[in-house]
Amino acid sequence: NAGVTQTPKFRILKIGQSMTLQCTQDMNHNYMYWYRQDPGMGLKLIYYSVGAGITDKGEVPNGYNVSRSTTEDFPLRLELAAPSQTSVYFCASSQQVYEQYFGPGTRLTVT
Amino acid sequence: GESVGLHLPTLSVQEGDNSIINCAYSNSASDYFIWYKQESGKGPQFIIDIRSNMDKRQGQRVTVLLNKTVKHLSLQIAATQPGDSAVYFCAENGSGGGADGLTFGKGTHLIIQP
Repeated sequence: NAGVTQTPKFRILKIGQSMTLQCTQDMNHNYMYWYRQDPGMGLKLIYYSVGAGITDKGEVPNGYNVSRSTTEDFPLRLELAAPSQTSVYFCASSQQVYEQYFGPGTRLTVT
Repeated sequence: GESVGLHLPTLSVQEGDNSIINCAYSNSASDYFIWYKQESGKGPQFIIDIRSNMDKRQGQRVTVLLNKTVKHLSLQIAATQPGDSAVYFCAENGSGGGADGLTFGKGTHLIIQP
């Protein structure tokens, strides 16, 4: 199993551009999550999903959108990138609610 | 608001010594706690978890202690090795049962001195 994979690894965006961060898991997990991690900080939950077709907001959802059309994929969309969205983004999945498996992260810079 | 936090941002220990990383939590409704290890440039990796009906749980070279009276969690790493160098996060399940992920502390950077 590859576990949780994320693409791209790095990206630089200009203010106002849009992009989609991809996340795929091959463990048939129902739960999937998107977090952001700012320098020297813990992770903050952006969005989560408890199964295909179901998504919900986390602690910091503003400026982001998600979809969950399949069990495997949980893409995160940034429509109008802002400097405040410069961060490292982690996708995670879990079968139970709590033991989450994380991807390697996407480092995003918005200038 | 309620949050999970750590007492020390950096902990430096000698190789071979035992390490103790501390975590305070304030949400009394939390009933599940996890420790994650994050190496530089990588995603967090699950180490060990504990439920609120337990005081202690042991894994391979790691032990987690939970003191519900003072809302304190600790991670003990025995015979610390260079590969243990990382940032360690504690996390709690916040509202106690929701699927809305975990609440993470800021992390403690464990540095191993040769």
